[in-house]
Amino acid sequence: GEDVEQSLFLSVREGDSSVINCTYTDSSSTYLYWYKQEPGAGLQLLTYIFSNMDMKQDQRLTVLLNKKDKHLSLRIADTQTGDSAIYFCAEGDGGATNKLIFGTGTLLAVQP
Amino acid sequence: GAVVSQHPSRVICKSGTSVKIECRSLDFQATTMFWYRQFPKKSLMLMATSNEGSKATYEQGVEKDKFLINHASLTLSTLTVTSAHPEDSSFYICSASVPSEETQYFGPGTRLLVL
Repeated sequence: GEDVEQSLFLSVREGDSSVINCTYTDSSSTYLYWYKQEPGAGLQLLTYIFSNMDMKQDQRLTVLLNKKDKHLSLRIADTQTGDSAIYFCAEGDGGATNKLIFGTGTLLAVQP
Repeated sequence: GAVVSQHPSRVICKSGTSVKIECRSLDFQATTMFWYRQFPKKSLMLMATSNEGSKATYEQGVEKDKFLINHASLTLSTLTVTSAHPEDSSFYICSASVPSEETQYFGPGTRLLVL
């Protein structure tokens, strides 16, 4: 079956880099996504990567994809207190009717 | 960017009543919308996929008579929780596909509390 796993919790100091990891099982996934959820709010799309890419950088965010190991990571450079949130990775097949399978979520706590 | 709204943001109701939640795509037309349920400190569980003008496709284990979905227009989908019970209390989130993009944009969620 489809399973997307993440570590539950990560604590970093303000200014440090954060690395959030995700492993997935469906090798046919076309896209892999990172979403951010602040308390009591919906999900905000941060970035996504096509499955034939190894890396994507977007300002402070760097996504690394190891398709062989089915491992995805999100690196946040110069982490700020406003980055404190739950981060979800998700996999999908792409297209308008693309169903997303979400990971278990990682709570990122940024200490001032 | 694509904006999705939900209404209400939170609702408290008595057991046995029905509650309707609206999901709107504000600046684009969404042929497909999705409804998710999120339990406290848990991930999102897809409940159903809603296509404009046709019946929703429900995930395994989701009661279609309990969670009624209507996608009457390209910008509006509604989820009605019928005869709500305390175990239906949850955070319900909708999302909409942007036809030109390979992703979904999410609404802010609706917190339902059934007493």
